[in-house]
Amino acid sequence: DTGVSQDPRHKITKRGQNVTFRCDPISEHNRLYWYRQTLGQGPEFLTYFQNEAQLEKSRLLSDRFSAERPKGSFSTLEIQRTEQGDSAMYLCASSYYAGQGFTEAFFGQGTRLTVV
Amino acid sequence: KQEVTQIPAALSVPEGENLVLNCSFTDSAIYNLQWFRQDPGKGLTSLLLIQSSQREQTSGRLNASLDKSSGRSTLYIAASQPGDSATYLCAASNFNKFYFGSGTKLNVKP
Repeated sequence: DTGVSQDPRHKITKRGQNVTFRCDPISEHNRLYWYRQTLGQGPEFLTYFQNEAQLEKSRLLSDRFSAERPKGSFSTLEIQRTEQGDSAMYLCASSYYAGQGFTEAFFGQGTRLTVV
Repeated sequence: KQEVTQIPAALSVPEGENLVLNCSFTDSAIYNLQWFRQDPGKGLTSLLLIQSSQREQTSGRLNASLDKSSGRSTLYIAASQPGDSATYLCAASNFNKFYFGSGTKLNVKP
């Protein structure tokens, strides 16, 4: 297993366009998380899945954002009608949840989004 | 809501020094605490995970401690090297997600 994989690594888009990011977690992990990080700040929680179920969404995740994990494996994060304020690093992480909490979390290399 | 604070925000030390990075959290009902390293423009690399029932964890030159009652964790780096230069982030977790601090940017000078 090569760890958590994110694609693309970099994305430049014009304001108003839609973008989609993909995350492939560690195969045996049932939890998948999306975080957003702006320059000089720590990552902020966006949403997480357990298997295919989206269990929590942050208020940061406006109606323009949607995330899916259709078969409990990879996940996609879509941003519609992008705005300059969406420019950030989007990080994906995975871990294993065993009923009493989750194990060590591993992060991908992130997708750097620039909206021009 | 859990608030995580890391002090100092930046630290510059000469090579070979031992150093301590601090992390504090407001809600002691955490499940675990994890330390990460982040290089510029990159993702997060897990360094150490401390379960809430543990007091410390060690990996090589790194030692992390956890004091839930005082809401504090420290990351000790022994014999620092220029390759240790990076931003170090701590994350306190409940059963569902992680709460991150803003990190400590470490520069180790040759």
